Amino acid sequence: DAMVIQNPRYQVTQFGKPVTLSCSQTLNHNVMYWYQQKSSQAPKLLFHYYDKDFNNEADTPDNFQSRRPNTSFCFLDIRSPGLGDAAMYLCATSLRLAVADTQYFGPGTRLTVL
Amino acid sequence: AQKITQTQPGMFVQEKEAVTLDCTYDTSDQSYGLFWYKQPSSGEMIFLIYQGSYDEQNATEGRYSLNFQKARKSANLVISASQLGDSAMYFCAMREINFGNEKLTFGTGTRLTIIP
Repeated sequence: DAMVIQNPRYQVTQFGKPVTLSCSQTLNHNVMYWYQQKSSQAPKLLFHYYDKDFNNEADTPDNFQSRRPNTSFCFLDIRSPGLGDAAMYLCATSLRLAVADTQYFGPGTRLTVL
Repeated sequence: AQKITQTQPGMFVQEKEAVTLDCTYDTSDQSYGLFWYKQPSSGEMIFLIYQGSYDEQNATEGRYSLNFQKARKSANLVISASQLGDSAMYFCAMREINFGNEKLTFGTGTRLTIIP
């Protein structure tokens, strides 16, 4: 089955220690997204890639970076995690940037910062 | 102003009953898409149903239907014959294209609990 995969499902890191979260997709979609979701809140878009074009949300902190080495993979790098960065991180994909295109989500990575 | 409003933070429904989850939206665009997602405690966001702004008929997917009232800017999710596995957080979302940038905006969600 075509799907969006995120690894690891749970990640524990120390305050200030860089961490990388991984997302891969077998849907062959052009667009990949990263969302941050804190407890009992709606997902918040951090950035997205349309093919190799990177689009950062205006309020995404510089501490968050992303890489998309190929169509299938996208990484979220948190350079110096703070306690406030503890959250669920959701990766999503869509075929195109169009109102009718559904975004399909992975299972998420739950990040804990000690 | 909120783009997507879900006024029910939590709902309790008896198993096998139908349930309606409310969603209103705000946009000046003519072309937009409305989505409902289910998020169980495991965290995955599961796509349920989609309604396009130009669609004249309400969308249906199995036990899910979307009561789309464009003039009132509402897109309520109806779940028929609720099951214990329907207990989850439900998010309404709207997708617009503004100045070449597209965005999926989520509401604050409704936590649905199905009672045996």
